[in-house]
Amino acid sequence: AQSVTQLGSHVSVSEGALVLLRCNYSSSVPPYLFWYVQYPNQGLQLLLKYTSAATLVKGINGFEAEFKKSETSFHLTKPSAHMSDAAEYFCAVSVPQGAQKLVFGQGTRLTINP
Amino acid sequence: EAGVAQSPRYKIIEKRQSVAFWCNPISGHATLYWYQQILGQGPKLLIQFQNNGVVDDSQLPKDRFSAERLKGVDSTLKIQPAKLEDSAVYLCASSRDPNYGYTFGSGTRLTVV
Repeated sequence: AQSVTQLGSHVSVSEGALVLLRCNYSSSVPPYLFWYVQYPNQGLQLLLKYTSAATLVKGINGFEAEFKKSETSFHLTKPSAHMSDAAEYFCAVSVPQGAQKLVFGQGTRLTINP
Repeated sequence: EAGVAQSPRYKIIEKRQSVAFWCNPISGHATLYWYQQILGQGPKLLIQFQNNGVVDDSQLPKDRFSAERLKGVDSTLKIQPAKLEDSAVYLCASSRDPNYGYTFGSGTRLTVV
């Protein structure tokens, strides 16, 4: 069975600083990987996804993530944080076979300091 | 395209009462999911439908939770009787092809008092 571990339940950065949110996965077969963002009282919005094409994936709002098979990681980055990036971020994994479903990590709350 | 619709947005009930949530997926999306998100945690899959058939309900507490997807379109999730620990946001998602993405609704926030 697949699983996801997000390192750090809370990350705080200054406006304009680099954002780095860490995600490690476990899967017995090559996975698909996703990052979602959740603003207060809203559903989940897809930021980006890796589905076995290019290992560096660019998403919305200036975010990107790199799939590293050797490290079983899919960390999310953004070069310069904006106040509007403050939200909860979830990494998720699925496998492209069988009963395909998303398995989520526990989430990382991102706070942006002015 | 219209998004995934869920209702109600908020619900407060007393323990031992029953409650039902409704989801209308994006038109043409064969796969529908119900997730439970407890405060401070990531969403956990409760049940997955493919058209009107259940694909995975291994984490659904079947003694109190039930779900159906009539005619392979709308779905309802019911809790009877509710417990305090059922307080959570219930998210519905749908997908045309799970390999390429899932669209989530805004969720129903349930508070059991």
